Amino acid sequence: DGGITQSPKYLFRKEGQNVTLSCEQNLNHDAMYWYRQDPGQGLRLIYYSQIVNDFQKGDIAEGYSVSREKKESFPLTVTSAQKNPTAFYLCASHRAYSNQPQHFGDGTRLSIL
Amino acid sequence: GQQVMQIPQYQHVQEGEDFTTYCNSSTTLSNIQWYKQRPGGHPVFLIQLVKSGEVKKQKRLTFQFGEAKKNSSLHITATQTTDVGTYFCAGTMIYNQGGKLIFGQGTELSVKP
Repeated sequence: DGGITQSPKYLFRKEGQNVTLSCEQNLNHDAMYWYRQDPGQGLRLIYYSQIVNDFQKGDIAEGYSVSREKKESFPLTVTSAQKNPTAFYLCASHRAYSNQPQHFGDGTRLSIL
Repeated sequence: GQQVMQIPQYQHVQEGEDFTTYCNSSTTLSNIQWYKQRPGGHPVFLIQLVKSGEVKKQKRLTFQFGEAKKNSSLHITATQTTDVGTYFCAGTMIYNQGGKLIFGQGTELSVKP
């Protein structure tokens, strides 16, 4: 059964700590996205990647980093430079350079200890 | 910058009443997609509109795309408790062929039985 898997579902970060959110897809999609969702603000784009070994900053990339070493995987690291990391993080994918709908994972809820 | 504005932010209705959410873009869109996010869930694709003036229906849901391809609406007739959730519009800018979506802020619908 094809889909997108995000892990963990809940994550807690200590001050000064980097944490990495996992996103894996078996849909054979080239394009992958990371969004941050805060109450009343919709989905804001953090980073996206249209192809392996390439990625671009979205609207709110500061304090975040990504890698795209494999087509199936697009991990997001929330660094200590991100001062307000508490949010719901969603990963999505679709066929690159197309208007096909995006498929979303179940999300990771990150909180500060 | 590129923006998709969505109103209202919240809508509380009695079961059986109608509901409408509106999206407006600052620039012409190539297409617009609508997603529904149930409480605690992730966005799920509902429909895509591509043509100027297009109208599509899914049972009690009616979607419209404006003639200028800058605005869109979702209308639900006779709401049910199963309609509860947040509805997002998301547009692709006409000059962006990469498929990157700009999301509206979402309209959170609650339905009182």
